Amino acid sequence: SQWGEENLQALSIQEGEDVTMNCSYKTYTTVVQWYRQKSGKGPAQLILIRSNEREKRSGRLRATLDTSSQSSSLSITGTLATDTAVYFCATDRRNSNNRIFFGDGTQLVVKP
Amino acid sequence: NAGVIQTPRHKVTGKGQEATLWCEPISGHSAVFWYRQTIVQGLEFLTYFRNQAPIDDSGMPKERFSAQMPNQSHSTLKIQSTQPQDSAVYLCASSSGGAREQYFGPGTRLTVL
Repeated sequence: SQWGEENLQALSIQEGEDVTMNCSYKTYTTVVQWYRQKSGKGPAQLILIRSNEREKRSGRLRATLDTSSQSSSLSITGTLATDTAVYFCATDRRNSNNRIFFGDGTQLVVKP
Repeated sequence: NAGVIQTPRHKVTGKGQEATLWCEPISGHSAVFWYRQTIVQGLEFLTYFRNQAPIDDSGMPKERFSAQMPNQSHSTLKIQSTQPQDSAVYLCASSSGGAREQYFGPGTRLTVL
């Protein structure tokens, strides 16, 4: 899982497997965003889940949010080699001038 | 829509030289962010403009780094007297405001020899 203070996490799986990545955040947030960064590119948003939502789906992606435990997860079903990337969660914070705060990221390698 | 444009894509400087990095946000976006990314430190926030005004520069090193947004179509990050530890990928992002989706450019890879 990723957290503001933890080092980059790494996962290696075989194509076709399902994977879940976790994110814990420290303070109140109104949204959790999940981003994916492929090698040589900037991060790109995958999914946004609001604090009043418990689950959000987009294709093979499923994000969950548990505000009581201040954690979120991103699941990918039927992974492809092209899912190989670093995955970041990002949250906003109260009194942060609408800035978002990125976690340390999870490096996912999907082997063909 | 060309997305966020960053130039140059790669820059090599000698120690002590100045480096200026350019960012063109998506047209109509009111917020521009700068980040620095390294293997060791990960993705670090540097500074943030909204409607061209500096809002939060808490991530900017106090010396040698400065950022400006002279108009809504571009922002610059300037590093004076570059040092080897400044070597990183510098990412610019823009958004339509609020804690909304940020659209990132491809980054500028700065190498200080």
